[in-house]
Amino acid sequence: DAGVIQSPRHEVTEMGQEVTLRCKPISGHDYLFWYRQTMMRGLELLIYFNNNVPIDDSGMPEDRFSAKMPNASFSTLKIQPSEPRDSAVYFCASSLDNGLNTEAFFGQGTRLTVV
Amino acid sequence: AQKVTQAQTEISVVEKEDVTLDCVYETRDTTYYLFWYKQPPSGELVFLIRRNSFDEQNEISGRYSWNFQKSTSSFNFTITASQVVDSAVYFCALSEEETSGSRLTFGEGTQLTVNP
Repeated sequence: DAGVIQSPRHEVTEMGQEVTLRCKPISGHDYLFWYRQTMMRGLELLIYFNNNVPIDDSGMPEDRFSAKMPNASFSTLKIQPSEPRDSAVYFCASSLDNGLNTEAFFGQGTRLTVV
Repeated sequence: AQKVTQAQTEISVVEKEDVTLDCVYETRDTTYYLFWYKQPPSGELVFLIRRNSFDEQNEISGRYSWNFQKSTSSFNFTITASQVVDSAVYFCALSEEETSGSRLTFGEGTQLTVNP
């Protein structure tokens, strides 16, 4: 398996624009996670899905952020409108089982810069 | 609430030295899992180990070893005979059973630099 695939790897956008980050989890994995990494806050969980259903989105910073998982092989994280403080590396991860019992495999991340 | 603390922000060693990365955690759960991830300069997060709260046996994998002590809520990671390729940021993480799902709470990370 190719692992968790994220696109794009890098994104530079202007403040106010809509940004969509994409993720393809490992085939057969039931759980999908979106994390954000910043210097100030480190790695923090934004939202996660189980069998395509959002389970916990309490980490989503505000209404400008939304995530969907229309099927088992694809998820998006959208920011609309984007702001400079959204600049970060966004990671997608997937796990076979409840992550308590298995490890989460991470994608290579999308480095977002909002200018 | 769960918390993971990695007090060492940066560590610098010379190749072949042994180095220990500290991790202290807080949790109210009796069942939980601890993890270590490596983030090399290329940026991806690489899984290294998972340990459950009922298994306090230390583990060794090549030059890597882990010391889990529930009495001190610590899960330390030692690299023996460090190499330049070990240079990376290392994250300790915790997952609790009672959280709604399996969110990982990460520590702040320790930047390890191994100099030739």
